Amino acid sequence: GENVEQHPSTLSVQEGDSAVIKCTYSDSASNYFPWYKQELGKRPQLIIDIRSNVGEKKDQRIAVTLNKTAKHFSLHITETQPEDSAVYFCAASNIRNKLVFGAGTILRVKS
Amino acid sequence: NAGVTQTPKFRVLKTGQSMTLLCAQDMNHEYMYWYRQDPGMGLRLIHYSVGEGTTAKGEVPDGYNVSRLKKQNFLLGLESAAPSQTSVYFCASGLLVRTDTQYFGPGTRLTVL
Repeated sequence: GENVEQHPSTLSVQEGDSAVIKCTYSDSASNYFPWYKQELGKRPQLIIDIRSNVGEKKDQRIAVTLNKTAKHFSLHITETQPEDSAVYFCAASNIRNKLVFGAGTILRVKS
Repeated sequence: NAGVTQTPKFRVLKTGQSMTLLCAQDMNHEYMYWYRQDPGMGLRLIHYSVGEGTTAKGEVPDGYNVSRLKKQNFLLGLESAAPSQTSVYFCASGLLVRTDTQYFGPGTRLTVL
């Protein structure tokens, strides 16, 4: 089955710097790659997603890139702010409606 | 429109006890899911349902049972709780048309002593 690896497990950046989180997946049939943000004690919430027919997608300070050949995708956050501090999860879907999640990245933005 | 709700929010069980977690959604979603979240392991799928009256196993189904008697409700049961089932449980739901996007409930923190 699908396996998703996520790196790094923790990331500390200074406010205003950029943050990059990377994920690799194993199943070349996967075609949907969402990113979820989870604040402490809260539910995961979708922040951005990308499908396999698109190489890059941007939404204000957040962008996601996808390299299907290498089977990896990345989340980019620019001009980080303290409220970006959270746990971020990537996921991949190779079977309709079933997501496989990465282990998560704890992002700390220092002010 | 409450979205996805879960009851209870917290629960402490003793080993061997049973309990049922309730997930409810008012968005008329066809698909519903139960995940568990453990430190350093992300979210792992326990069971899911693609419609009323249907259920299927996910990645970690052992020790759990589910039922979807009504479209808006998805129940997760633990027949004989074990300490290894200490976790945070999240329910999620999704639309048939845009089936990849999942909306999560607030979670249930379960401790098994």
